[in-house]
Formats: sequence, structure tokens, C-alpha cells
Amino acid sequence: GQQLNQSPQSMFIQEGEDVSMNCTSSSIFNTWLWYKQDPGEGPVLLIALYKAGELTSNGRLTAQFGITRKDSFLNISASIPSDVGIYFCAGQRGGNNRKLIWGLGTSLAVNP
Amino acid sequence: DAMVIQNPRYQVTQFGKPVTLSCSQTLNHNVMYWYQQKSSQAPKLLFHYYDKDFNNEADTPDNFQSRRPNTSFCFLDIRSPGLGDAAMYLCATAHSGQETQYFGPGTRLLVL
Repeated sequence: GQQLNQSPQSMFIQEGEDVSMNCTSSSIFNTWLWYKQDPGEGPVLLIALYKAGELTSNGRLTAQFGITRKDSFLNISASIPSDVGIYFCAGQRGGNNRKLIWGLGTSLAVNP
Repeated sequence: DAMVIQNPRYQVTQFGKPVTLSCSQTLNHNVMYWYQQKSSQAPKLLFHYYDKDFNNEADTPDNFQSRRPNTSFCFLDIRSPGLGDAAMYLCATAHSGQETQYFGPGTRLLVL
């Protein structure tokens, strides 16, 4: 099935550093979602984006819905050890098509 | 707090022995989803209910069935589990107006 191009695949950073990851697609989406998943748990919604160009923050997290509707990025500022996990982007075309198209995830490790 | 609940969190079954996983939600969302997630992969949609309407993904094996007796509950039945069915099973819900999906904590299935 279709997947989004999510990069980087993994990151290993020092505590306090900023992090950036992004997702791109060859087709447009009406919604972009960013999730974080801890080992053995379900994905937790971080940020939902509904409009092209939209920039939304949630604490130290900021995400943007690309103007072309084919991409999105997620930034984490001043990383802390509990930011460790796998971050997934997901896009949805909307209308009657409810299926989420997923990126392969970015695995983040933070060195205290 | 409104939430998505999955029971049990861990389930062990024997090869070929039917097993049922359950999901309940207090969000009053009309759409419920079942996903399968294997290690280091993104969640894979099995099927979803839009109200009472069942929507199966084309590549979901017949071995997987679902029931939704009311708005709050949804069940995943695996009729004859094989070793390849060992995975994390995730339930998610959404409101049809917004479509952002909220996930439960998952049930990890082990097949012996």
C-alpha cells in the first residue's frame, strides 16, 4: 500500500538539542497528523493539522501543514529524555476516504 | 477522562485457538478502527465501522472478523490464529466530522 516518505528514519541527539523530522507525499492530503508511540503502547496524537500552511504548536512541539498539501514537518525544541520514542506522520485525504496513510516512523533517542 | 480502552493488554493464545480482543470508548465517536502493528512497522488498517456499517480492507485475511454491538464497543475476532498473527492490535476511534483518530493502548497478542 501507499506510504509517506518520512525522514530521518532514526535520530540520536543530546538532551537540549532541537529535532526536526518531515513527511512528504506525491499526492495531496486534507489532514496531517503526528503521533508518538512509546514501546508497548498505542500511538498518542501530538498535533493535528487541517489547513494548508497551518502552523500549530503543542508545548515544545511545532508542526506545519505544507502549502502544497504534500508535506508536513514536526519540530521538537529543547529535547528531554522522555521525548524518546517513535514518531509517525499520517495523512488523510478526507471526504469518504477515512484511511490514514502512514510514514514509516522516526525513531528518536535522546542522550541525557 | 474520555478515552479508548483495550482489554486485555496482553493475550496469549494457542495456534488455531479462536481469540477475541475488545475495545471500548467513552468518546462517543461513531467511527471505530482496528489495526495490526508488527515490530518496527506502521499500523496496518484491518477494517473499520462507520456507525454500524462495516468496511473491510481488501487485503485483510478472512481469519479476521469484527463485531460492533453498540457505539461504545468493538471486538476483533481471530478465528484461527497463526504464528504470523502475533502482533500488537490497536483500536482507534474518530468522529466522522473531524476524522482525527485516537488510539487505545493496544493488545499485544502472542501465539504459541
